[in-house]
Amino acid sequence: GAGVSQSPSNKVTEKGKDVELRCDPISGHTALYWYRQSLGQGLEFLIYFQGNSAPDKSGLPSDRFSAERTGGSVSTLTIQRTQQEDSAVYLCASSLNPAAAFFGQGTRLTVV
Amino acid sequence: RKEVEQDPGPFNVPEGATVAFNCTYSNSASQSFFWYRQDCRKEPKLLMSVYSSGNEDGRFTAQLNRASQYISLLIRDSKLSDSATYLCVVVYSGNTPLVFGKGTRLSVIA
Repeated sequence: GAGVSQSPSNKVTEKGKDVELRCDPISGHTALYWYRQSLGQGLEFLIYFQGNSAPDKSGLPSDRFSAERTGGSVSTLTIQRTQQEDSAVYLCASSLNPAAAFFGQGTRLTVV
Repeated sequence: RKEVEQDPGPFNVPEGATVAFNCTYSNSASQSFFWYRQDCRKEPKLLMSVYSSGNEDGRFTAQLNRASQYISLLIRDSKLSDSATYLCVVVYSGNTPLVFGKGTRLSVIA
């Protein structure tokens, strides 16, 4: 498709389970970002990939969070042993760095 | 440290009013600037880029003041549909991610 695609759009999981969130960026975009947003709050930076450079993981809140980007395209954000505080909307964006980024519609994660 | 600060609002304005938001950034090693709009429970969407000479897109005008390290967004003739959160974004030089402000909430009232 023409835009950033994220899946699933909604995910409900039990506390302690692992989840994987997927992001398909816009074709040709070298930069890919993951953010999360809790209800009524601003965007919280998680991780940034740029081409073949080492990712900037400075925003990952704990070692339960990890992300990879395979072949410079699709990215997966993995949260292990989910906790209730992980409940949020996880947003992926891509760009031709340093241009403006375009967001996917997000994955709404609910940990029960 | 790279920070972007915005007044969270809310700004409650009547239809037809002119409203302006400012955004300050802390690091002079900045490269590009943007305004995004985010509707409730939706993803942020690019509203406009901000150029050094200032730029206009219909009812929206963006300005950049590098000396004072702030950017602004002016909305003229506000519409009900302008109600949203407006996010200021700064791209710093080097291999760094976009930095988002926390947003300014605008409510346009009939």
